[in-house]
Amino acid sequence: DIQMTQSPSSVSASVGDRVTITCQASQNIATWLAWYQQKPGKAPKLLIYAASSLQTGVPSRFSGSGSGTDFALTISNLQPEDFATYYCQRVDNFVALTFGGGTKLEIK
Amino acid sequence: EVLLLQSGAEVKKPGESLKISCQASGYSFNNFWIGWVRQMPGKGLDWMAIIYPGDSETRYNPSFQGQVTISADKSNTTAFLHWGSVRASDTAIYYCARLPPTIGLGFDFWGQGIPVTVSS
Repeated sequence: DIQMTQSPSSVSASVGDRVTITCQASQNIATWLAWYQQKPGKAPKLLIYAASSLQTGVPSRFSGSGSGTDFALTISNLQPEDFATYYCQRVDNFVALTFGGGTKLEIK
Repeated sequence: EVLLLQSGAEVKKPGESLKISCQASGYSFNNFWIGWVRQMPGKGLDWMAIIYPGDSETRYNPSFQGQVTISADKSNTTAFLHWGSVRASDTAIYYCARLPPTIGLGFDFWGQGIPVTVSS
């Protein structure tokens, strides 16, 4: 089974900073990767699909990149509302939809 | 507007049965997968199962196969997740989410979550 490994597991940053979170798949998943944001007590929210496509309504300071096994989510000009936990998910099939372990973005 | 409205919080004793629901509206229920995702206290997201209501095809995470049953009622545009016998380790929040039938898109709409507590 393909494993999804996120790093770091947590990161501290300040408002206005640029942060990059990475996600590695144990096998090639082309560009079939999604990114989600989850705030405490809330359901996850889809940010990015197909590795780099921005979901409708998501601010352009969020961007995704990568293909094959290595992916990244970058948040530019961090805003207070961006402090949350982020998850990647393989979406290359309808048989295994594994999530990464999550990255908690905290205020420095 | 796409909405996924989940049933309310549950408190169960070990060994009891449990069925939770997710009522969909605002889109063609038959033509999108709908799935369940578990989040144990303080932990990450685990996909459990998905169902395509149009033909009732189901897919399970092997970790949950045999532990839960996913189903859907097309006439009421509602998806369900059923346990025959819950355990303390089933204590978690359970989300339903819509999955478009195209590779690569992810779960694009989510329900509000159902807290489930299993305790003697």
